[in-house]
Amino acid sequence: DIQMTQSPSTLSASVGDRISITCRANINIYTSLAWYQQKPGRAPKLLIYEASTLESGVPSRFSGSGSGTEFTLTISSLQPDDFATFYCQQYATYFFDFGPGTKVDI
Amino acid sequence: EVQVLESGGGLVQPGGSLRLSCIISAVTLNPYGVTWVRQAPGKGLEYVALISSSGESRYYANSVRGRVTISRDNSKNRVYLEMNNLRDEDTARYFCAHLRGPLVGAADYWGQGTVVTVSS
Repeated sequence: DIQMTQSPSTLSASVGDRISITCRANINIYTSLAWYQQKPGRAPKLLIYEASTLESGVPSRFSGSGSGTEFTLTISSLQPDDFATFYCQQYATYFFDFGPGTKVDI
Repeated sequence: EVQVLESGGGLVQPGGSLRLSCIISAVTLNPYGVTWVRQAPGKGLEYVALISSSGESRYYANSVRGRVTISRDNSKNRVYLEMNNLRDEDTARYFCAHLRGPLVGAADYWGQGTVVTVSS
């Protein structure tokens, strides 16, 4: 399995803040990385795929960057609806390992 | 609008079996892979299994390999997850998700999940 790590595990922020979450893989996964947002009791929602491509309908304040083993999800101006847990996931192999998640709260 | 709907969860004793079903509507399922992902109570997301668009290629997480079988019926837009010899640690909400590609890719459409509880 590919080991995926995320930092921080918890992030306290305020509306309007710019925040970044880092995801690391222990091997080169090129740009085969997705970011998901999940709210309590809900299904995950795809935000970013191919490391930096914004999914249709996702606000432009979300952006992704990186390649190889280090990736970043950035929210340029945090909105009330953005408080949630964020997961990265690799799909460079047939075993889609997820990161442990980053909870963004107030 | 693409919709994903899982069913088949429930309470089962350790060692028991369940068959989960997933129907993906408003899209032709054939060109796309499908994955099952689970989430234990209060925990993160865990990949369970993957099936290619044709159904010929199937992959499983180490934690379920040998106990779980993924299959699909493209004529019915359905994907299945047969689970046997269930353990306490299989207790989770199981999500079915449509992939952007025929085998690998990000999961762009998800169902709300079906809950499996393994307990005596």
